[in-house]
Parts: sequence; C-alpha cells; structure tokens
Amino acid sequence: QQQVKQSPQSLIVQKGGISIINCAYENTAFDYFPWYQQFPGKGPALLIAIRPDVSEKKEGRFTISFNKSAKQFSLHIMDSQPGDSATYFCAASWSPNTGNQFYFGTGTSLTVIP
Amino acid sequence: DAGVTQSPTHLIKTRGQQVTLRCSPKSGHDTVSWYQQALGQGPQFIFQYYEEEERQRGNFPDRFSGHQFPNYSSELNVNALLLGDSALYLCASSLDGVLSNYGYTFGSGTRLTVV
Repeated sequence: QQQVKQSPQSLIVQKGGISIINCAYENTAFDYFPWYQQFPGKGPALLIAIRPDVSEKKEGRFTISFNKSAKQFSLHIMDSQPGDSATYFCAASWSPNTGNQFYFGTGTSLTVIP
Repeated sequence: DAGVTQSPTHLIKTRGQQVTLRCSPKSGHDTVSWYQQALGQGPQFIFQYYEEEERQRGNFPDRFSGHQFPNYSSELNVNALLLGDSALYLCASSLDGVLSNYGYTFGSGTRLTVV
C-alpha cells in the first residue's frame, strides 16, 4: 500500500505565487521527511528535509510545515519562479541501525507560468 | 567533487534478456540504494547495499539482484526482463548512519526500455 500519499498530482501557479504540495503518512515510526525536486531526465535532488521534533523549517523560498498529530506535512514554495517548474516528491523514512529505505509519494508536477 | 555516476544512461533490451546497470557513489559515501521509477510515479525501493552485503530489500522479485564492490560501487542485475521492467533506475548513495540534512544523493539514472 502507499505509505506516503501526495497531492495534488499537478499544480499550475502564476509567477510570484505560492505553491503548496501536501503529503500524508501512516507509519508513526517515520522520523525523517525530505522533499525532492526532479527535472526531466535527471534524478531527484534533495530540496529540504525535516524531523518530527520541529513544526516548520525554512530554507530560502522553501518551507516545510509538519503536523505530527495529523501525520501530514507540506511544502510551500514562496514567490514561485518559472525555474521551479519540476516534479516534486515527498518522502518518508526512519533510521534504524540496519539501514533505511525511503517511501516516496507519487509526485506533483508543478508548472509556474511567467 | 563528483556526485553519483550511473551507466549507461539509456539501454534498450529485449524481453527475456538480462541487464546490468552500474553505479559509482558520491565520494565519501559507503551505502548504495537502488530505486525503480516507472513513468509518472515516485521511486520504489529495490534494495540497499552496505559493506558489500544486501542490507534491506523492497518488494521486488529475485530476478533483481545486486552487488557492491570494495570501492563501494554497485551493480544492479535484472534477469528474464519483462516489459514491465521498463523504467528509470536510480542509484542513490549515502553515508551509513548519517541522514541528517543530506539524505540520499541520487544519480541521473539509467533509462531501461524493454521491447
């Protein structure tokens, strides 16, 4: 079953607007929640990540909001730019001593219109 | 500082054949994970190698196997290819025990097409 559910599937935003992508998870053992950005023909690149002991993390125009009780987290892209047009994946993992695997959402295709 | 290097970038194989994909991890990384990304989907975990052993495995059949070499590089082998194996295969490297703000570093992938 899908361990991490992501929405929306696609998003169109005007330049300068705010892009918001949401994810929900079920496994309360997850303790690491990254967001990845992927351009066509490239592998995913880490954008920003959060641990569940904080409710928000900001890096430049990118912010993760985390709601542990609701088991939800979201990515906010402020002042969206055409160069932000890409596919975004949320993911979740835990860090046992015996290794870890990432569970990815199904992705959100973001298009920023100039 | 080179990132994760994968080869080849593209590959076309016939159903039933076998394929080997290669990955060199980022300098300083000792753990290699392989993911399969079908078109329009998120990456799915195949397996992870650490200290030359398969440490963790996702829900993939035994047709998928791998290897890690002493220099930490890795290979993914797929036997008896099916049309459904067509996907982008991603290699990700990391430093064992260190997830922190860095997570994985992904390569650009190998695009496998099975005809």
